[in-house]
Amino acid sequence: DAGVIQSPRHEVTEMGQEVTLRCKPISGHDYLFWYRQTMMRGLELLIYFNNNVPIDDSGMPEDRFSAKMPNASFSTLKIQPSEPRDSAVYFCASSLGSGGYEQYFGPGTRLTVT
Amino acid sequence: QKEVEQNSGPLSVPEGAIASLNCTYSDRGSQSFFWYRQYSGKSPELIMFIYSNGDKEDGRFTAQLNKASQYVSLLIRDSQPSDSATYLCAVRFILVGGGADGLTFGKGTHLIIQP
Repeated sequence: DAGVIQSPRHEVTEMGQEVTLRCKPISGHDYLFWYRQTMMRGLELLIYFNNNVPIDDSGMPEDRFSAKMPNASFSTLKIQPSEPRDSAVYFCASSLGSGGYEQYFGPGTRLTVT
Repeated sequence: QKEVEQNSGPLSVPEGAIASLNCTYSDRGSQSFFWYRQYSGKSPELIMFIYSNGDKEDGRFTAQLNKASQYVSLLIRDSQPSDSATYLCAVRFILVGGGADGLTFGKGTHLIIQP
């Protein structure tokens, strides 16, 4: 079975541009999570969805970040406008059920904003 | 405020020895605890999870949980060079009603197994 799929794997953009990251969770999983990883801050939870509904977006750093999940098999994380401090690896993860079930991580998108 | 603390390392352990990785957390409501391994440039992968106080063993790995002390550890027996990676401790808070919060991760401990 395919795991969590993320695209693109690498993204280089200039400051001020819009960036859209995409994620396809594992089929049948009802939770989807977006994380950001940097050397300074480690792995941080940005937002998560349950059955396509955003549950907690308190980790989203500012209004420039937005996330959507229009259906059970697709989610996007958008940054507009992007800034150099947004440079990081962005991971999407999915899990089945609540109560501490295993989260499966995608390969990540390495974003560089110049 | 949920916080998860780990020694960043590097922790250097000779091949064949026991590697001991430690983690403390701040939220007494935390109920699920996870250890993820992350190789450089790769995504985190789950090694073990533990919910109850005590020890849980899986092959060469043993997770230990002490909720009173808010402490969770991971022991790796017979360490191999392939165990060299960053180990992330993660805590998940279970909400009243069964809903689950997202994972709060420590910054990880970099483990080096010396051949």
